Amino acid sequence: DAEITQSPRHKITETGRQVTLACHQTWNHNNMFWYRQDLGHGLRLIHYSYGVQDTNKGEVSDGYSVSRSNTEDLPLTLESAASSQTSVYFCATGNSDTDTQYFGPGTRLTVL
Amino acid sequence: GQNIDQPTEMTATEGAIVQINCTYQTSGFNGLFWYQQHAGEAPTFLSYNVLDGLEEKGRFSSFLSRSKGYSYLLLKELQMKDSASYLCVLREGTDKLIFGTGTRLQVFP
Repeated sequence: DAEITQSPRHKITETGRQVTLACHQTWNHNNMFWYRQDLGHGLRLIHYSYGVQDTNKGEVSDGYSVSRSNTEDLPLTLESAASSQTSVYFCATGNSDTDTQYFGPGTRLTVL
Repeated sequence: GQNIDQPTEMTATEGAIVQINCTYQTSGFNGLFWYQQHAGEAPTFLSYNVLDGLEEKGRFSSFLSRSKGYSYLLLKELQMKDSASYLCVLREGTDKLIFGTGTRLQVFP
């Protein structure tokens, strides 16, 4: 069965460190998205990609970067982690001809 | 820009019917989703409305009025497992989604 996996599922890091969160999908979807979810906010879009070599900034992209070298993976990098980036991060995929996005299980990141 | 309003919390009794309302303002409406999210889990797709009217899927139905900027999710024959957050989500353009903060529904026996 097609799926989306995220790793790690939980991560604790220190302020200033570089952190990379992995997202891997076997849906063969062109579109991939990274969101963060915080209390009092809906899921907010960080970055997204419509295909290989394509990346775009979302609503809250400062301090984050992504790269898309193949269809299956969209890693999210925090260049220098800050306490404000403590959150739950969800990866999602979809195609333009599907009416939904499919979400991965999430990564809980704590920045101390 | 977009603005999505839905109640923060609701409670209901097992076996009952509950309606979760969502009002929105947007300059680029291209559909409205409802997602369910259990605590600690990923959101999962429930329904999608792009035209006015009611979409029914088993115990769940979703209604849309584009002219009023209004949608609701109707849950019938509530079960304990329906205790979750329900997210009203706007589709902007082709694929970008704008999420509301969600309505936390608690179902009691």
